[in-house]
Amino acid sequence: DARVTQTPRHKVTEMGQEVTMRCQPILGHNTVFWYRQTMMQGLELLAYFRNRAPLDDSGMPKDRFSAEMPDATLATLKIQPSEPRDSAVYFCASGKSAGNTEAFFGQGTRLTVV
Amino acid sequence: DAKTTQPPSMDCAEGRAANLPCNHSTISGNEYVYWYRQIHSQGPQYIIHGLKNNETNEMASLIITEDRKSSTLILPHATLRDTAVYYCIVRVADSGGSNYKLTFGKGTLLTVNP
Repeated sequence: DARVTQTPRHKVTEMGQEVTMRCQPILGHNTVFWYRQTMMQGLELLAYFRNRAPLDDSGMPKDRFSAEMPDATLATLKIQPSEPRDSAVYFCASGKSAGNTEAFFGQGTRLTVV
Repeated sequence: DAKTTQPPSMDCAEGRAANLPCNHSTISGNEYVYWYRQIHSQGPQYIIHGLKNNETNEMASLIITEDRKSSTLILPHATLRDTAVYYCIVRVADSGGSNYKLTFGKGTLLTVNP
């Protein structure tokens, strides 16, 4: 089955360190979403890409977060420097922009910043 | 902000139909109703979507009222594995703009009891 792959699945890091989370969208999908989930805030959209270009990153703290798509098979979300409040599960999702179709989610990266 | 209202929790007996309501009174003519669910520790999973006609697939049925201001997701024979948070989302069909994103609310925690 085609699936969105996220790595790593778990990450524990110290405050101040750089964190990079990776996402491999489903082959042929040209839209990519990054979400963050916490108990308090639920699922929050951080960024949305179409054809590798960012369409909306208004949900992302710009001072420390950055999202890119170096190529069609890889999306990255970086936090530098990381802070304890960044502890959350980060989900990537991909879909097709042609027509009205669903987005498929990965299993997430559980980040703990201590 | 999410444009939908859902009850925070519901219970259902195993083998019975689960009917999950959603209000979306401000829905626009070009917005679809999507349903996702999230089983504990997993990424959200697409269930079904529709515009104005009722829809059915192998997982569920979606009933949308004629005025499109509310909908009901029906799981015809709920099992213990259907215990999850169910999200009702409205989303525009146009992928060219930033409104193509999926905005999640709090959802409904459905607990299927033996």
